[in-house]
Amino acid sequence: DIQLTQSPSFLSASVGDRVTITCRASQGISTYLAWYQQKPGKAPKLLIYAASTLQSGVPSRFSGSGSGTEFTLTISSLQPEDFATYYCQHLNSFPITFGQGTRLEIK
Amino acid sequence: QVQLQESGPGLVKPSETLSLTCTVSGGSISSYFWSWIRQPPGKGLEWIGYIYYSGSTNYNPSLKSRVSMSVDASKKQFSLKLSSVTAADTAVYYCATLTLLNWFDPWGQGILVTVSS
Repeated sequence: DIQLTQSPSFLSASVGDRVTITCRASQGISTYLAWYQQKPGKAPKLLIYAASTLQSGVPSRFSGSGSGTEFTLTISSLQPEDFATYYCQHLNSFPITFGQGTRLEIK
Repeated sequence: QVQLQESGPGLVKPSETLSLTCTVSGGSISSYFWSWIRQPPGKGLEWIGYIYYSGSTNYNPSLKSRVSMSVDASKKQFSLKLSSVTAADTAVYYCATLTLLNWFDPWGQGILVTVSS
C-alpha cells in the first residue's frame, strides 16, 4: 500500500496568514493526488484534484502543487472559514489511501 | 447535480452484519464508480471499496474478507454489507462518487454506525 504522510499534523495560524501543508507519498504517484477540507460533523469537501486543479467553486486562495512523492496545499490568505482539517488522498494504485490529516486552528 | 444520502441502522450488535444503502438523486447511477469510506470518531478516513454500476467491485484488502457491495440501478441505490463487526467498526460511513477513478466528489452527509451490544 502507498502511505501518505502529512506535515504538520497540527497547525496554528492567524487570519490573513499564508499556510502550506505537505503530503509525502511512500512511492511515486505522478499527479494522482487530491486534497479535501473537512469541518466538524461534515463530510469532506473536494478542494483540488490531479495535484493542482482547483475544483469548481473553490476559492482561488487555495492552490496545490507537486508530483511524484511530494505535494503541497497552500492557502494564500487564511479566512475564518478555512479553519478545518485537511486530508490528501491518492489513487495511483489500489488500495486508495488518505493522509492522516492536518488540523488547522486559529492562533 | 448528483446528491447522495446514506441510510441504515445506527446501532449494530457485535458479530452481526452492518448494512447500509446510499440513494443517488439528481443524476444517473450508470457510468459511475460508487464508493464507501469510513471515519472512526476522531480519526482519519479509510476507503472501504467501490462498485461500478455494472456490478464490478474493488475492495480494500484490509476489509475484503468481510465486505460486500451491490447496486440496484432501478432504485438508484448501492449498498454496503460488512460482516462480523466489532467495536473497531464503529465509524461514520460515507458514500461518495469516485470520479474518473481518481477523486471523491460528491459525498453523502455520512451516517454514524455504532457497534455495541
